[in-house]
Amino acid sequence: DQQVKQNSPSLSVQEGRISILNCDYTNSMFDYFLWYKKYPAEGPTFLISISSIKDKNEDGRFTVFLNKSAKHLSLHIVPSQPGDSAVYFCAASGRVDTGGFKTIFGAGTRLFVKA
Amino acid sequence: GAVVSQHPSWVICKSGTSVKIECRSLDFQATTMFWYRQFPKQSLMLMATSNEGSKATYEQGVEKDKFLINHASLTLSTLTVTSAHPEDSSFYICSARESLNEKLFFGSGTQLSVL
Repeated sequence: DQQVKQNSPSLSVQEGRISILNCDYTNSMFDYFLWYKKYPAEGPTFLISISSIKDKNEDGRFTVFLNKSAKHLSLHIVPSQPGDSAVYFCAASGRVDTGGFKTIFGAGTRLFVKA
Repeated sequence: GAVVSQHPSWVICKSGTSVKIECRSLDFQATTMFWYRQFPKQSLMLMATSNEGSKATYEQGVEKDKFLINHASLTLSTLTVTSAHPEDSSFYICSARESLNEKLFFGSGTQLSVL
């Protein structure tokens, strides 16, 4: 049962244009959402996050939008740069029954930014 | 930002041997660390939650006797793959959570190849 879904395995964008990566989740207990960027054979690096009490968070070229009613979030990168080419993972976090936090990742979207 | 060190970055071993992977939080104390596994072109799959001073919590389908986790201190968690087989070959990544927020910091990962 995939609780966090990234339905687009890949996305190709021209340099300078906007990249939009989408993510859907199914579990209402998630209250914190994160985006990570990953290069091959490296650990993911944190990009940006958003709490469920917000609907938008911006950090430089990166903006995350959250639509709680639709259980949907998206990452916008503008303008896109060739160095942004990587795999982007969406993650959702929330408390579990045991009292701790659990973070579940989507399958990732590979972004190609063409020069 | 916080630093998580993971060692070794890659290991090749013979089938039937055991491999230990270390995960250290270098500049913060992590009461909880997480171990993930990633197959090529797939998402990060949570294997287990490692709690300092207590038993790890394993996800469904993960053999606890196969993947031994020890979290002996607030800065160190280890994952031991016991009697490794070729199907255990994968990319293993640890992460740690800073106190008071839900941002995960990741190690650089360990590529395990079992011959």
